[in-house]
Amino acid sequence: GENVEQHPSTLSVQEGDSAVIKCTYSDSASNYFPWYKQELGKRPQLIIDIRSNVGEKKDQRIAVTLNKTAKHFSLHITETQPEDSAVYFCAASKGSASKIIFGSGTRLSIRP
Amino acid sequence: GAVVSQHPSWVICKSGTSVKIECRSLDFQATTMFWYRQFPKQSLMLMATSNEGSKATYEQGVEKDKFLINHASLTLSTLTVTSAHPEDSSFYICSASRDTDTGEQYFGPGTRLTVT
Repeated sequence: GENVEQHPSTLSVQEGDSAVIKCTYSDSASNYFPWYKQELGKRPQLIIDIRSNVGEKKDQRIAVTLNKTAKHFSLHITETQPEDSAVYFCAASKGSASKIIFGSGTRLSIRP
Repeated sequence: GAVVSQHPSWVICKSGTSVKIECRSLDFQATTMFWYRQFPKQSLMLMATSNEGSKATYEQGVEKDKFLINHASLTLSTLTVTSAHPEDSSFYICSASRDTDTGEQYFGPGTRLTVT
């Protein structure tokens, strides 16, 4: 089955700097790669997603890149702000009505 | 649109009793729902896929006789934790998929289960 690996497990960056989280997946049939932000005790919140027919997607300060050949995808957050502090999860799925497999998570802390 | 609710939001039960958690899609029909479990400081682990009108598909290592899933309608799936034990204490989250989507799932707010 699908396996998603995520690095790093913790990340601390200075406010205003960029943060990068990297993931790899194992199943070449996966074609949908969402990223979630989760605050303590809350549901995961979709912040950006990318499909396998696209190599890069950007939404304001957040961008995601996908390398299908290497089975790598990454989340980039620029100009980090204190409210970006949370746990971030990458995930992979085979698309419509298919299960989503989560990475192990990255605890991001923004230093003032 | 695409709102998923869960009930209850938290529950405390005694060891050996059973607890039922409901997951509802409020404004769309969901032929497929998913149940996840999340222990403190860990990731979401998929427990099972719930299909309306058919048996659930459980992930490896998840006891189907302990975690009973019923998806009786296009808007409701239930998870019953039978004979709960303290090690079942966790955060249970459901999600629902709309057939018209190409992968996005909508998550419920989660249910915090504490077994004493």
